[in-house]
Amino acid sequence: NAGVTQTPKFQVLKTGQSMTLQCAQDMNHEYMSWYRQDPGMGLRLIHYSVGAGITDQGEVPNGYNVSRSTTEDFPLRLLSAAPSQTSVYFCASSYEGPQGSYEQYFGPGTRLTVT
Amino acid sequence: AQTVTQSQPEMSVQEAETVTLSCTYDTSENNYYLFWYKQPPSRQMILVIRQEAYKQQNATENRFSVNFQKAAKSFSLKISDSQLGDTAMYFCAFMPDEGNQFYFGTGTSLTVIP
Repeated sequence: NAGVTQTPKFQVLKTGQSMTLQCAQDMNHEYMSWYRQDPGMGLRLIHYSVGAGITDQGEVPNGYNVSRSTTEDFPLRLLSAAPSQTSVYFCASSYEGPQGSYEQYFGPGTRLTVT
Repeated sequence: AQTVTQSQPEMSVQEAETVTLSCTYDTSENNYYLFWYKQPPSRQMILVIRQEAYKQQNATENRFSVNFQKAAKSFSLKISDSQLGDTAMYFCAFMPDEGNQFYFGTGTSLTVIP
């Protein structure tokens, strides 16, 4: 299994440009999430999905869109990039295991710089 | 709302010594899960240890163990026999039983000194 993959690893955008961060998992996990990591702030949840066709907002959703047309893929779209979106973005997937336990599997991250 | 607090931004420990990282959380939930994740310079997030709130016994994984105090809402991580490879950022995380949202602390940067 490849686990959780993210592309690209690095990206530089100009203010106002749009782009899509790709995330895919091959573990058939129901749950997928997007986080952003900023210095001194830990990881903050942007959007999450509990299954194909179902998405919901997390703590910091503004400026981002997501969709979940398949179990495997969960792309994150920046509609009009702003310097405040400069961050490292992590995608994660998880499943409900025995006794309700969860474990999140993280992708390697995408470092995004908006100038 | 759930919050997770890590009050030690940076810590250091001598190789082979023991170090304890602190984490407190605030929740009104009765059932939940707690996690410690390690993030080395490679940036990859790695699960270190997990604790179910309904289990009174503290979780252990080799050199890593937790001190879970449910009434105090405290979840500290003890690393024994510290190794150079333990140098990393460590994040405490909380997940309520209902739903799949994780809440992370701001992290503790641990340096193991040779």
